[in-house]
Amino acid sequence: EVQLVESGGGLVQPGGSLRLSCAASGFAFSSYWMDWVRQAPGKGLEWVAHIKEDGSDKYYVDSVKGRFTVSRDNAKNSLYLQLNNLKVEDTAVYYCARDPNWGAGPWGQGILVTVSS
Amino acid sequence: DIVLTQSPLSLPVTLGQPASISCRSSQGLVNRDGYTYLHWFQQRPGQSPRHLIYRVSNRASGVPDRFSGSGSGTDFTLKISRVEAEDVGVYYCMHGTQWPFTFGPGTRVDIK
Repeated sequence: EVQLVESGGGLVQPGGSLRLSCAASGFAFSSYWMDWVRQAPGKGLEWVAHIKEDGSDKYYVDSVKGRFTVSRDNAKNSLYLQLNNLKVEDTAVYYCARDPNWGAGPWGQGILVTVSS
Repeated sequence: DIVLTQSPLSLPVTLGQPASISCRSSQGLVNRDGYTYLHWFQQRPGQSPRHLIYRVSNRASGVPDRFSGSGSGTDFTLKISRVEAEDVGVYYCMHGTQWPFTFGPGTRVDIK
């Protein structure tokens, strides 16, 4: 079964840090660009980060540049998102997803990150 | 950045009747490689988004054939031929033509 499972969310104070993880299974993880997408409570979807198959290219939405870092470990079939200097507006459910451009791929169940004092 | 607009934003539909959602892009979505990376996602209440249609008109595995996508250039459409109760949710168009990828604002489909 093709699956993505996120972990690592939680409550953090403004200025704090978190590391999200996504475990992939059921497909050739190392052959796909991978992504993080977020959804603030009651809001729409925002594509946050995009990483190439071998990790050599990375893209970020402007609102997180310099604060978030996407990475991957193909040996462990895992995707990561390091969130630093968190702001209240980063509060959202974060989804791990496979690059959509080459076919409909799996999405994770999502993990909630709450930034609040 | 490419901006996607959807209409309508709210779509009450009678069961068994058709539904149509429009997605317009602020610029053409044909990539240098010739592909048009316009996709449709469904998000049922309380669930993760589900990729329904990829590259304009390709249905994902397991998606009922009552869903269809069409369009070109800057104008795209998602159609549901006969709405069923399980189709309630929010539908998003999304482009992957250049970074940043962006989503439309979403169209909420519910039953009259």
